[in-house]
Amino acid sequence: AQSVAQPEDQVNVAEGNPLTVKCTYSVSGNPYLFWYVQYPNRGLQFLLKYITGDNLVKGSYGFEAEFNKSQTSFHLKKPSALVSDSALYFCAVRDSYSSASKIIFGSGTRLSIRP
Amino acid sequence: DGGITQSPKYLFRKEGQNVTLSCEQNLNHDAMYWYRQDPGQGLRLIYYSQIVNDFQKGDIAEGYSVSREKKESFPLTVTSAQKNPTAFYLCASSIVRGTGSSYNEQFFGPGTRLTVL
Repeated sequence: AQSVAQPEDQVNVAEGNPLTVKCTYSVSGNPYLFWYVQYPNRGLQFLLKYITGDNLVKGSYGFEAEFNKSQTSFHLKKPSALVSDSALYFCAVRDSYSSASKIIFGSGTRLSIRP
Repeated sequence: DGGITQSPKYLFRKEGQNVTLSCEQNLNHDAMYWYRQDPGQGLRLIYYSQIVNDFQKGDIAEGYSVSREKKESFPLTVTSAQKNPTAFYLCASSIVRGTGSSYNEQFFGPGTRLTVL
């Protein structure tokens, strides 16, 4: 069975500082990992994904994520936070052994960037 | 949110009534999904469909029904059997065909907020 965990309900960062939003996963096969962002009363927007290859994945709006197989983690990072990055972030995983259409979402982490 | 529309944006329902949420996409995607979002619980899959005239139950299908008569449309009916329907409902779509189709991300609509009065 596949699962994904986001251990922090909220992350608070000062503008200009680096940010990290944590995600860990559990799958039977190879993981396909995704990050999405949600602004208030909106749908989710895709940020980036890891399928294979380089462990550091670059995505939209200056975000990147690092895949760590030994720690089963896929943390989202940004070198310098902006106030506009404040939103709800979801990590998601699909197991290579599972149905092609089904992915599991984490519970979300609220990122708050203070000016 | 581009390419997927959901209507209405806000919906109010009296207890005992069925309501239908609309989801339409013009991305030519084969697969469509319905999720329910509650505070602190992330997204939970209600139903999904990979092809016209076929759909599968997700993790929380009880009290919901869907149809997929057209590729572009995947309406969700919240029936009176759903005990706690107040939530934010999200529709999504993705590519299924082709090499690497398992890797493809889902595209989401703007959501419908349903409130039971």
